[in-house]
Amino acid sequence: KQEVTQIPAALSVPEGENLVLNCSFTDSAIYNLQWFRQDPGKGLTSLLLIQSSQREQTSGRLNASLDKSSGRSTLYIAASQPGDSATYLCAVSINTGTASKLTFGTGTRLQVTL
Amino acid sequence: KAGVTQTPRYLIKTRGQQVTLSCSPISGHRSVSWYQQTPGQGLQFLFEYFSETQRNKGNFPGRFSGRQFSNSRSEMNVSTLELGDSALYLCASSWGHSNTEAFFGQGTRLTVV
Repeated sequence: KQEVTQIPAALSVPEGENLVLNCSFTDSAIYNLQWFRQDPGKGLTSLLLIQSSQREQTSGRLNASLDKSSGRSTLYIAASQPGDSATYLCAVSINTGTASKLTFGTGTRLQVTL
Repeated sequence: KAGVTQTPRYLIKTRGQQVTLSCSPISGHRSVSWYQQTPGQGLQFLFEYFSETQRNKGNFPGRFSGRQFSNSRSEMNVSTLELGDSALYLCASSWGHSNTEAFFGQGTRLTVV
């Protein structure tokens, strides 16, 4: 059974700092890994999708890496801003043939202070 | 391009009642998946529909069911509601292959009293 863990569970940093969020998964047989952002009481916003054959993806100040063999992914946020405050979730798409199913981590709650 | 639309946004129901939630996927997407989010259990997969067929199912009791229509819109039904069913229910839309990006709606907040 695939299990996804995110460390740390919560993080508070001052504005402008660079930070790294971690995600680990137990079964390397994944199709892809996706990073999401969730604001309180809202849905999920997709940030980055990394295919299993890729090593990293970048979008603006965000960079996500994937190491399938070690079962790890990191989300790097450069020059953090108060607007980045949210919960960040990683999810893996597991090998279920043609079916789509995401297994989520428990999230990292980020607060960026002024 | 319109995103994933879930209705209603909020619901309050009484124990024992049933409820139906709706999800309209992004135009052209044929896969709709449903997830339950609670503070204690996090995000858990309920089921996935593709071209009107349930392709995958999570570990939830039979009180949770769903269907998908020919226009890819999906509904989720929960019968005989329990207090523990209070949660944020999210649906995700995608092209339907395991390596494609999933897009989520804003969710339906269900409160059972």
